[in-house]
Amino acid sequence: DIVMTQTPLSLSVTPGQPASISCKSSQSLLYGDGKTYLYWYLQKPGQSPQLLIYQVSSRFSGVPDRFSGSGSGTDFTLKISRVEAEDVGVYYCMQGLQLPLTFGGGTKVEIK
Amino acid sequence: EVQLVESGGGLVQPGGSLRLSCVASGFTFSTYGMNWVRQAPGKGLEWLSAISTSGHTPYYADSVKGRFTISRDNSKNMLYLQMDSLRAEDTAVYYCAKGVGATHQIDYWGQGTLVTVSS
Repeated sequence: DIVMTQTPLSLSVTPGQPASISCKSSQSLLYGDGKTYLYWYLQKPGQSPQLLIYQVSSRFSGVPDRFSGSGSGTDFTLKISRVEAEDVGVYYCMQGLQLPLTFGGGTKVEIK
Repeated sequence: EVQLVESGGGLVQPGGSLRLSCVASGFTFSTYGMNWVRQAPGKGLEWLSAISTSGHTPYYADSVKGRFTISRDNSKNMLYLQMDSLRAEDTAVYYCAKGVGATHQIDYWGQGTLVTVSS
């Protein structure tokens, strides 16, 4: 199974400031079709997860452009350019290269 | 609008069984792979099972293989998870999750249904 490791475990961010979350996979997520199957989700308090970023850097429908994803191979980053109050919750990365799908342990983002 | 609504959760004794259902709407159900994912209280996300568009090909995590059975009824836009031989460690919120096309990467999640395994 592919192991996904996220850091940090938690972040406390002042509104308007940037935030960055790292995700590393135990093997490359690059598939033979040239796509890299790394996803980012946000689980807001009391809600189910929602997709933010797919295939490393593509924003999902309705996701604000302050969210961006980058990386390749085994190292990936989610950045929030200016954190807003509505961005609080737990962020998860997930590999979609192969089953079983596996998730990072999550990064809890809170507002200072 | 994509909607996934789970039902069937509840309190069950260890060793018991439960069947979860998920009704899908807002997309052509039969053309998408589907998944079940769970989240134990205060914990992270654990993928459990996936099923192909036709329903002929199921996949399972080792933690539930042989105890859980995924199925779907494309005529009713329904996804199911039959859970047998339940254990205390199966206590979690169970999410139905839609695949991206025929694949199993996830784009939409249901609101979840809570399963509690306790005597």
